[in-house]
Amino acid sequence: QSVLTQPPSASGTPGQRVTISCSGSSSNIGGNYVYWFHQLPGTAPKLLIYRNNQRPSGVPDRFSGSKSGTSASLAISGLRSEDEADYYCAAWDDSLSGHVVFGGGTQLTVL
Amino acid sequence: EVQLVESGGGLVQPGRSLRLSCVASGFTFDDYAMHWVRQPPGKGLEWVSGISWNSGRIAYADSVKGRFTISRDSAKNSLYLQMNSLRAEDSALYYCAKGMDYNDLGPWFDYWGQGTLVTVSS
Repeated sequence: QSVLTQPPSASGTPGQRVTISCSGSSSNIGGNYVYWFHQLPGTAPKLLIYRNNQRPSGVPDRFSGSKSGTSASLAISGLRSEDEADYYCAAWDDSLSGHVVFGGGTQLTVL
Repeated sequence: EVQLVESGGGLVQPGRSLRLSCVASGFTFDDYAMHWVRQPPGKGLEWVSGISWNSGRIAYADSVKGRFTISRDSAKNSLYLQMNSLRAEDSALYYCAKGMDYNDLGPWFDYWGQGTLVTVSS
């Protein structure tokens, strides 16, 4: 059971806009930045969004992040076949002595 | 070009120890926090541990606290994970990841290695 809750799957057709949610609590998302990663099959994860809504250089502006209270979302517009991957949210959690928590991951299928 | 190359994985019996290494290149190793993140086959990501630039801040996941020890050697541009009292549930692909801040241990992981596989089984 992951500390951050994501839907296990999502899907969309090419060109569509899809969103992936990430729900947490006051000790993690509520008080800290949210990060998003995507992972293509057989490869290492790659940073997609940092500090809630910032894109690293090289990440297309089709990807956007947002945060409100104890929840966050990743939106992908103009869906493309190469977006088919697993997506993870993550945040620092202040509980106990502090640690990083991940969501369980969302498998995105492009129909 | 930033490169992170992990090594040290393998098959080990429950209760035994293993030491993972990650050699970093392409950036000033001393300037950044470093982390270990693992992924059991077919499952999601789990953060294991993080260490600040000067080893002054260290954090562990509850699942490994007291059994795993993270360390770094600036002279060798290397990150380590000493894993003791290994359990079957520690079986995973272990990734080394670079942080984007020198002291913040949050998940701002901008580069990842390709991972080293640890299998704990009798």
